Amino acid sequence: IQLTQSPSLLSASVGDRVTLSCKGSQNINNYLAWYQQKLGEAPKLLIYNTNSLQTGIPSRFSGSGSGTDYTLTISSLQPEDVATYFCYQYNNGLTFGSGTKLEIK
Amino acid sequence: QVTLKESGPGMLQPSKTLSLTCSFSGFSLSTSGMVVSWIRQPSGKSLEWLAAIDWDGDKYYNPSLKSRLTVSKDTSNTQVFLKITSVDIADTATYYCARIKGYFDYWGQGVMVTVSS
Repeated sequence: IQLTQSPSLLSASVGDRVTLSCKGSQNINNYLAWYQQKLGEAPKLLIYNTNSLQTGIPSRFSGSGSGTDYTLTISSLQPEDVATYFCYQYNNGLTFGSGTKLEIK
Repeated sequence: QVTLKESGPGMLQPSKTLSLTCSFSGFSLSTSGMVVSWIRQPSGKSLEWLAAIDWDGDKYYNPSLKSRLTVSKDTSNTQVFLKITSVDIADTATYYCARIKGYFDYWGQGVMVTVSS
């Protein structure tokens, strides 16, 4: 399954509601996770099984979706959220999206 | 506390075999359901799953790289190894090991590997 993330670059202001998209080439059956990767660091798990928040992750992060279309939402963007975000599917094989780089405007 | 740490040669020449070690603590690979995986990331690019080994010793490989990969574990179930044969410049990347439960929940810090003559 191939994953297409959009946009590839997103610039937003502190406090904005931000939405990142991930679209699969086939049905993912909700086996989708989201990772945050800050510069020079390993990826960090944010969301698994489409909408389950990993322990310790702030509640401003949420996930939704079904079928082939999934979304990561940050309800109120914070400066520490600057990072690249990757979606990842584990329904059929194990594949990552190409990433969305999130910047502060 | 679950921790993983990768180690490797740093740099090697094209056509050689890359050997990587993942040392972990906080869980045992002998526990039913446990799986450890390798993922790599070229600088500025996305992530690519490479291989995995489970508590029962079953091995799983990325089909596009399978012929070049060998994953194994030690008898104490605290280390996992990855060998990549016939490396070339395209294998230059940061290599991560991670625990997997379908999704990767804990990651190591990564080890940079450069393939250069």
